[in-house]
Amino acid sequence: ETGVTQSPTHLIKTRGQQVTLRCSSQSGHNTVSWYQQALGQGPQFIFQYYREEENGRGNFPPRFSGLQFPNYSSELNVNALELDDSALYLCASSANRGLNEKLFFGSGTQLSVL
Amino acid sequence: EDQVTQSPEALRLQEGESSSLNCSYTVSGLRGLFWYRQDPGKGPEFLFTLYSAGEEKEKERLKATLTKKESFLHITAPKPEDSATYLCAVQISGGGADGLTFGKGTHLIIQP
Repeated sequence: ETGVTQSPTHLIKTRGQQVTLRCSSQSGHNTVSWYQQALGQGPQFIFQYYREEENGRGNFPPRFSGLQFPNYSSELNVNALELDDSALYLCASSANRGLNEKLFFGSGTQLSVL
Repeated sequence: EDQVTQSPEALRLQEGESSSLNCSYTVSGLRGLFWYRQDPGKGPEFLFTLYSAGEEKEKERLKATLTKKESFLHITAPKPEDSATYLCAVQISGGGADGLTFGKGTHLIIQP
């Protein structure tokens, strides 16, 4: 059984650029959530996808968008990057929508915006 | 506004020295309280879910408890490998999003 994998592990972008982060969910999981973790902070919920549809969203602007594919892998897209977008981006998968027990997290993508 | 506050921010203990981490919460309707462990450079790893006041769960040297206003993570006779950041999170009922609201975490260091 493979766990949650994210790519790339590290990324450097400049302000105003666009970025795409990728996530492969754990085998058998149909729900993917994305979180942003700034240095010294807890993760903040961005959004959740269930069966290719956005299922819930946190307090993030529309320039944060996502996709989920038929194999339940997912992408996080961020447009018009700002300096404050520098953070660790975590993907988590779960077997069930709604009930977030036992989220399985990947190791994250460290994004630096210069 | 829903809030999760963890204390202390950092804690340094000697190996074998037991202690407790605190998570206080102010939410409109608690659906579940979660504890995760996060090692440097890794994503959080699930430890426990608690659903109602009075509930307790144990795993090896860790025990989590829940009241109507706070949760404690008790660490008994810790070892250096217990060093990590411990995160508390809540899921609220009635909200449109099903995401977790996390605290900032307690950075725990166990010295040999």
